[in-house]
Amino acid sequence: DVQLVESGGGLVQPGGSLRLSCSASGFTFSRFAMAWVRQAPGKGLEWVSTLSGGGETTYVADSVRGRLTISRDNSRDILFLAMRSLRPDDTAVYFCAKDGQHSGWDFDSWGRGTLVTVSS
Amino acid sequence: QSVLTQPPSVSAAPGQKVSISCSGSASNVGTHFVSWYQVVPGTAPKLLVYDNFKRPSGIPDRFSGSKSGTSATLVISGLQTGDEADYYCGTWDNSLSGGNWVFGGGTKLTVL
Repeated sequence: DVQLVESGGGLVQPGGSLRLSCSASGFTFSRFAMAWVRQAPGKGLEWVSTLSGGGETTYVADSVRGRLTISRDNSRDILFLAMRSLRPDDTAVYFCAKDGQHSGWDFDSWGRGTLVTVSS
Repeated sequence: QSVLTQPPSVSAAPGQKVSISCSGSASNVGTHFVSWYQVVPGTAPKLLVYDNFKRPSGIPDRFSGSKSGTSATLVISGLQTGDEADYYCGTWDNSLSGGNWVFGGGTKLTVL
């Protein structure tokens, strides 16, 4: 079974940095694009970034471009999200999601998320 | 303001059927495949429908998706109390720099 487990969330001050991790198991990690999706308290899902299986191609939401950076270590089956210059509106549960490799893009497996709180 | 428009809420009695619409434009729903997700607070989101109408294994046929032009629809029949959740449509959008994935604003389903 596919398992995605996020970690690294916590309380950080505005302007601070954090790095999230997502440990993957149950599938050949390097063959699948992976993504981060977030959900602010009381709000809807917001896509953050997607990275191709080999790490060559990155897509990033305009709202986080230049501050949140996706990366992966295919030797350890881990997806990362480096977060800097954090703002209060970055407060959210951050989910790691796996691409379904269907005809269209979609996210067929998700983790349970890790909470990031940006506050002084 | 989401690029994809969904009704904020829908409700129906157990056993009944509901439809959740997802309205977009030529740069997203009109061009790309649509998927649907169920989100129960505190749990991992779940993929219900992909490629407009296909279901992952394990998803009952009570959940069905369709697409016409720039709109997509999720229909849930034979409603159960366990279906109470938030539902989101999603697809790729060509209109923004480099392309972006977009979600609808979400629809809260209440089973009365």
